[in-house]
Amino acid sequence: LAKTTQPISMDSYEGQEVNITCSHNNIATNDYITWYQQFPSQGPRFIIQGYKTKVTNEVASLFIPADRKSSTLSLPRVSLSDTAVYYCLVGSNDYKLSFGAGTTVTVRA
Amino acid sequence: GAVVSQHPSWVICKSGTSVKIECRSLDFQATTMFWYRQFPKQSLMLMATSNEGSKATYEQGVEKDKFLINHASLTLSTLTVTSAHPEDSSFYICSTPTEYQETQYFGPGTRLLVL
Repeated sequence: LAKTTQPISMDSYEGQEVNITCSHNNIATNDYITWYQQFPSQGPRFIIQGYKTKVTNEVASLFIPADRKSSTLSLPRVSLSDTAVYYCLVGSNDYKLSFGAGTTVTVRA
Repeated sequence: GAVVSQHPSWVICKSGTSVKIECRSLDFQATTMFWYRQFPKQSLMLMATSNEGSKATYEQGVEKDKFLINHASLTLSTLTVTSAHPEDSSFYICSTPTEYQETQYFGPGTRLLVL
């Protein structure tokens, strides 16, 4: 499983865009990049997944450069309820997930 | 709505007793379920992989005789913490792959406190 590196924490204010970059230098050819969100005392929740270029859904965008050695999760116009831990995971469809430390995002009013 | 449920959501027990945690897939069959443990301010750590109809596969350092896993049906996996001790106090989370295994559904978690 490819190891990932993310910032430990990020602070933001309501209405701002938050971008979290994850490094995964050893990503394999068949690996996907997946981001999860976790609130305190809850299980993680799937946010977005991508393989290359850009993926966008109703809650976030995921930018993946051509070399795929990093990825950036973009949360547009965050609100207080976006305060959570965000995990970047890299792996293929072989079930097992290896969680890194994650990024604690704190949104302030 | 939720696709994976856990029961109980929290439990307090005395040291030396056993505690069973259930993980259910709702409205779909789950041949594989995963069990994670998460200590305060830490990330999730995979404990074991539960396979329906066969023995569970445990990660290195996880005692299989202490954390008993049973996956007797396609919708239910149970984790039993035997002879629980205060250091077993943690947040236990289960998950199962989605239909095309591209990601996982996670349960809401079970908070265990051993006194």
